[in-house]
Amino acid sequence: DAGITQSPRHKVTETGTPVTLRCHQTENHRYMYWYRQDPGHGLRLIHYSYGVKDTDKGEVSDGYSVSRSKTEDFLLTLESATSSQTSVYFCAISEGLAPDTQYFGPGTRLTVL
Amino acid sequence: GDSVTQMEGPVTLSEEAFLTINCTYTATGYPSLFWYVQYPGEGLQLLLKATKADDKGSNKGFEATYRKETTSFHLEKGSVQVSDSAVYFCALSDTNTGNQFYFGTGTSLTVIP
Repeated sequence: DAGITQSPRHKVTETGTPVTLRCHQTENHRYMYWYRQDPGHGLRLIHYSYGVKDTDKGEVSDGYSVSRSKTEDFLLTLESATSSQTSVYFCAISEGLAPDTQYFGPGTRLTVL
Repeated sequence: GDSVTQMEGPVTLSEEAFLTINCTYTATGYPSLFWYVQYPGEGLQLLLKATKADDKGSNKGFEATYRKETTSFHLEKGSVQVSDSAVYFCALSDTNTGNQFYFGTGTSLTVIP
C-alpha cells in the first residue's frame, strides 16, 4: 500500500450543498492529484498540487477547488454540488514529476441527488 | 494533444486462456507508458510500466512492450486466472505535459473457471 487514505469513502448529498473530500498520505510525497472516474471516460484529472499551497488545474476543474496547507493533506471541495459531479473520486500521489508512477487511494463514491 | 485508446470491453475468457488487451497512444513528447489494474471497490494499482521505446514491462505474468513504431503498448498474459478478473487501464505520462497522466477508458476482464 502507498499509504494513502481518503475520507469519506461514501457520501450522498443534495444538489447545491458544499462537499469536501480529504486525501491523506503518509509518504511525504510532493505531488498529489485528484481524479474523477466515470464510465466511458476512464480517469480525468481535476486538480493537482506540487507542494504546500501550490496547486494547478487539470482537465476538468470547473466546479471544483482544492487546498493543500500541509504536505500530507489535499482537500477537494465542491462549492455547490451538482448531479453531474456524481462520480468516484480518486486521490493519487507521486514522488516526482511525471512520468513518475502515480499511486492511488481507495476512492470516494459521491452521489449528488 | 496526448491521448490513449484501448480496446472496448467487456472481455470474457476461460481460465488458462491467452489474454491481449490492445492499447495505442498519441503523444507529443517522450511518454512513459503504464498499465494499471482496478479490482472491484478498490483504487488503481500499478501493474507494470515502460519508460522508453522497446522496453518491456512485466509483473505477475503480465507483459507489455513499448512499441514506438506502432505507438502501442498491448497487455498480454499467457494463461489467465479467475483472480485476474478486474478492470485494466492503459495510461501515459508525457514529458511535454507536466504532471498529467492520460488514461484510457478501461477494459473489464472477467475470467470464468
